[in-house]
Amino acid sequence: DTEVTQTPKHLVMGMTNKKSLKCEQHMGHRAMYWYKQKAKKPPELMFVYSYEKLSINESVPSRFSPECPNSSLLNLHLHALQPEDSALYLCASSQDFTFGNTIYFGEGSWLTVV
Amino acid sequence: QQQVKQSPQSLIVQKGGISIINCAYENTAFDYFPWYQQFPGKGPALLIAIRPDVSEKKEGRFTISFNKSAKQFSLHIMDSQPGDSATYFCAASSQGGSEKLVFGKGTKLTVNP
Repeated sequence: DTEVTQTPKHLVMGMTNKKSLKCEQHMGHRAMYWYKQKAKKPPELMFVYSYEKLSINESVPSRFSPECPNSSLLNLHLHALQPEDSALYLCASSQDFTFGNTIYFGEGSWLTVV
Repeated sequence: QQQVKQSPQSLIVQKGGISIINCAYENTAFDYFPWYQQFPGKGPALLIAIRPDVSEKKEGRFTISFNKSAKQFSLHIMDSQPGDSATYFCAASSQGGSEKLVFGKGTKLTVNP
């Protein structure tokens, strides 16, 4: 069983809605990630937090807003999304940014924008 | 711009056979090469990983072969089982870190009973 927990598992939202995806890990990891995965495609990196500070933003549109309240939690706030944003959103974590550290993925949140 | 090329896109193998998935890269700065396994409806899970200072790594039925000069690496699944049916992604990262993994496009493996 994955030790990265994501909620909700499924989310349907309208283009004017505001919603949030939540992620939690209790492995003591200090790096946390958001990935987006479309059907039959590999995961695409969106954001990386290292020691609760945003380290990488892969030019993600501002309608996606990440937040790291503490070392165990990671949120992704969603606002004014487009239908093409429908995808599987994966949270992940690793010990830190040290070479060769395993990245552990959660099971993901399926997002449908209508 | 795809930095890691993975083939084949799909693979059908009989139970007990050998599954082979290949990946090639261009960026010589890559120094960490993991393979992820993803079942439908689940997140990717690390299967096995290798660094360029070794040519082969084996874990159970899974083996990574690495050819640094050719900039290629491959996953071999021996005695393939129906439970191995999943999508497999090779990946690579550079600068000594795992934060910017570049994934291949994936291979959907089907193992027939």
